[in-house]
Amino acid sequence: EIVLTQSPGTLSLSPGEVATLSCRASQSVSSSHLAWYQQSPGQAPRLLIYGTSSRATGIPDRFSGSGSGTDFTLTISRLEPEDFVVYYCQQYGSSPLWTFGQGTKVEIK
Amino acid sequence: EVQLVESGGGLVKPGGSLRLSCAASGFTFNTHTMHWVRQASGTGLEWVSSISSTGRYINYADSVKGRFTISRDNAQSSLFLHMNSLRADDTAVYYCARGVGELRGDYWGQGTLVAVSS
Repeated sequence: EIVLTQSPGTLSLSPGEVATLSCRASQSVSSSHLAWYQQSPGQAPRLLIYGTSSRATGIPDRFSGSGSGTDFTLTISRLEPEDFVVYYCQQYGSSPLWTFGQGTKVEIK
Repeated sequence: EVQLVESGGGLVKPGGSLRLSCAASGFTFNTHTMHWVRQASGTGLEWVSSISSTGRYINYADSVKGRFTISRDNAQSSLFLHMNSLRADDTAVYYCARGVGELRGDYWGQGTLVAVSS
């Protein structure tokens, strides 16, 4: 089973700043198998990025993804108030089918 | 507009059973793999099970294998999760998600809460 480790656990930033979230895999992950989700309190996860760097439908271009192998990054270029929520990376594998990182909370500094 | 609406959650005693449903609309249900994912309070996401568009291919997390059964009714655009031998650590919000194949979930329902407690 591939384990995804997200860092930091909490990121304290101000609106307008750049957020850099890390997702590290215990084994190499195919770039096409890595996705990022955003989850607001009390809400369902929302797909942000798929295939490491492709934005999902309706996602603003301030969100971008990059990486390869075992190291992947979600970057939010200019934090808006609604961006201060939790983010999860997810990879597709064989067993289990999906594994998720433990999440990074972006909070207002 | 894609909509996924879960129902069937509630309070159940350990060892009990529950059936969750997910009503889908706004897309061609019988062309998509569907998934169940759960989230215990204050914790992260855990994939539970998936079923292919025809129902032929099914996968389970080890934590629920032998206790949970996923199924679908394409004529009714509905997804189900039959949960038996429920344990306290099954307590969570259960989400259904539309799959982009097996790769990821592109639309998610709002979830239904399952609480297992005596």
